[in-house]
Amino acid sequence: SQQGEEDPQALSIQEGENATMNCSYKTSINNLQWYRQNSGRGLVHLILIRSNEREKHSGRLRVTLDTSKKSSSLLITASRAADTASYFCATGANSKLTFGKGITLSVRP
Amino acid sequence: DTAVSQTPKYLVTQMGNDKSIKCEQNLGHDTMYWYKQDSKKFLKIMFSYNNKELIINETVPNRFSPKSPDKAHLNLHINSLELGDSAVYFCASSQDGREGKGAFFGQGTRLTVV
Repeated sequence: SQQGEEDPQALSIQEGENATMNCSYKTSINNLQWYRQNSGRGLVHLILIRSNEREKHSGRLRVTLDTSKKSSSLLITASRAADTASYFCATGANSKLTFGKGITLSVRP
Repeated sequence: DTAVSQTPKYLVTQMGNDKSIKCEQNLGHDTMYWYKQDSKKFLKIMFSYNNKELIINETVPNRFSPKSPDKAHLNLHINSLELGDSAVYFCASSQDGREGKGAFFGQGTRLTVV
């Protein structure tokens, strides 16, 4: 069954702006991960945050996790046209990754 | 030096045929997975193997049979293909069988059943 639910489903921004994507989930997790998928390609792992962490940074990425609200957000700062892709959150538990439906991000040059 | 490679990249076949998709990873990971992505981009896990042992089978029809000859390979054989099997199939691997280090995905195999 589907675990993560991202919102918005589609996001269009101007290059240089920040992009914020949210993910909600339903059950207990060990960690939450964000992946990027470019059109016609496989998924690329971006960042992982463990259930006992609240915030994590990696380059222009910032992810937060609120286990009380069962939600996470991914912030991409100073977006670039190359960030245009689909972004998925995935919850990790019991040796299984469960993905949300994904968010389509378009960054206009 | 691709980390997770799967072949073929495209597969077009008729209903009722049997086909296989191969997957290999050179990362030394213990766990490999098969995911199915439908036309709405929804990703659903099908199987997970850890050191050649099946650990997850997500109510996939018996027509789908994974085979892991060694921990670097996880192939997917599909019998009696149906129209609804059309999708993109992704192979992935991760370290130690725990999801805690992130998974590496192959480029996908786009299966079209006509």
